[in-house]
Amino acid sequence: DSGVTQTPKHLITATGQRVTLRCSPRSGDLSVYWYQQSLDQGLQFLIHYYNGEERAKGNILERFSAQQFPDLHSELNLSSLELGDSALYFCASSVDEAPTFYGYTFGSGTRLTVV
Amino acid sequence: GQSLEQPSEVTAVEGAIVQINCTYQTSGFYGLSWYQQHDGGAPTFLSYNALDGLEETGRFSSFLSRSDSYGYLLLQELQMKDSASYFCAHNYGQNFVFGPGTRLSVLP
Repeated sequence: DSGVTQTPKHLITATGQRVTLRCSPRSGDLSVYWYQQSLDQGLQFLIHYYNGEERAKGNILERFSAQQFPDLHSELNLSSLELGDSALYFCASSVDEAPTFYGYTFGSGTRLTVV
Repeated sequence: GQSLEQPSEVTAVEGAIVQINCTYQTSGFYGLSWYQQHDGGAPTFLSYNALDGLEETGRFSSFLSRSDSYGYLLLQELQMKDSASYFCAHNYGQNFVFGPGTRLSVLP
């Protein structure tokens, strides 16, 4: 157990629907990062929050949004889902605002299947 | 922009030594990291190089040459459990940008 908790582990939903993925960072970590990993693809950075504030955005679609709450957990909202959104979605956390010697700690991911 | 290149696949036998290379292009550079990911699992942090040279952690070592925009991960005394994908990543601002990954297969 890495200490980063992601729920749910698996999600199957239909095209056009909306889902919410949840992440609780490791205790003491203030940064939360969201990454998307499609089949046989690398890790694509979506968005980064630090202590409740958005810090950086990557290739995140307008249909996707996220937030980090005062208790530091984060939610990634995916709407108007398309087949191509099927992927593993990882949350990672780190204690600092920018990752350094300690890197990220990843959660076990949420596997989203859009049918 | 930022990009990293890695070989897509590497194969080696148990007990051998394997080197996984990573070259990068970036407008700003802070450090190079390596992550291991088993099929269906979460990436796990292996190492971070901010300065040139070799960092050793047990059977794994990581090297960085900032002048060459190049690094590598060296795995010694390969074990079957080392079969996984390995990603290099560099800091870009406040997040990591990951390479495409190298799939390592360890044969008996």
